Amino acid sequence: DGGITQSPKYLFRKEGQNVTLSCEQNLNHDAMYWYRQDPGQGLRLIYYSQIVNDFQKGDIAEGYSVSREKKESFPLTVTSAQKNPTAFYLCASKTVWTVNTEAFFGQGTRLTVV
Amino acid sequence: GNSVTQMEGPVTLSEEAFLTINCTYTATGYPSLFWYVQYPGEGLQLLLKATKADDKGSNKGFEATYRKETTSFHLEKGSVQVSDSAVYFCALERDTGRRALTFGSGTRLQVQP
Repeated sequence: DGGITQSPKYLFRKEGQNVTLSCEQNLNHDAMYWYRQDPGQGLRLIYYSQIVNDFQKGDIAEGYSVSREKKESFPLTVTSAQKNPTAFYLCASKTVWTVNTEAFFGQGTRLTVV
Repeated sequence: GNSVTQMEGPVTLSEEAFLTINCTYTATGYPSLFWYVQYPGEGLQLLLKATKADDKGSNKGFEATYRKETTSFHLEKGSVQVSDSAVYFCALERDTGRRALTFGSGTRLQVQP
C-alpha cells in the first residue's frame, strides 16, 4: 500500500537532548513537509523540501533541522535549541509540479519533554 | 502574508443537525482552498477542495463554495452524524511561490446522539 509513515508514534526527550523524527513515503512525491501542531493553533510549517538535496525554512524553523538525501525520506531533528518542543508533529507529502494536488499526511509523532 | 481564520470551537450539535463552519482567508493571487479533517490521534485527510472562484467542493455530504468576493470558504453539511466528530481545518495554497499549505487553527466538532 502506498502511504506516508512516521515513527515513532510517541517520543520522550530529556532536556538538552536532540531527537530525530522519521518520515518515509512511497508515493513518489517530490515535496515533503513538516508541521507542528499545538492545541488551538492549527498547523505551522517548520521545513519543506520540493526536491532531493534541497529544503527551505518554514515559519517556525528555529531549533529544528532536516535533511533530504533520498526522495522517500525527510527526517526532522529537534535540537536542544528548541525551547518548547512538546507538540504533535506531522509530516506530509504531495506532488508539487502539478498545482492544487492533495497533501497526504502521516499519523504523527507526539513528542514530550520529560 | 497568507492567513486563514476559522470560527472557534468546539461546535456541539445533535445528530441530524445542520453544520456550518466559517472560514475566511487572506492571500494574494488566486489560491486553492481546502478542508482537511483530523480524527483523534491521527493525521489529516483531505475532505474537499476548490481551485477557483465559484467552484464548489463536495465529499461525504460536506460542501464548500469558493467565494472570492467575500474571501470565504465555509464548510456545510445538511445532517451531521456522530461519526463526523473530528477537528476540521481550512487551508489555502498559493498559486505562485511557496507551495505549502497555510492552515487555520481548526474547529472541533462534537456530534451527540
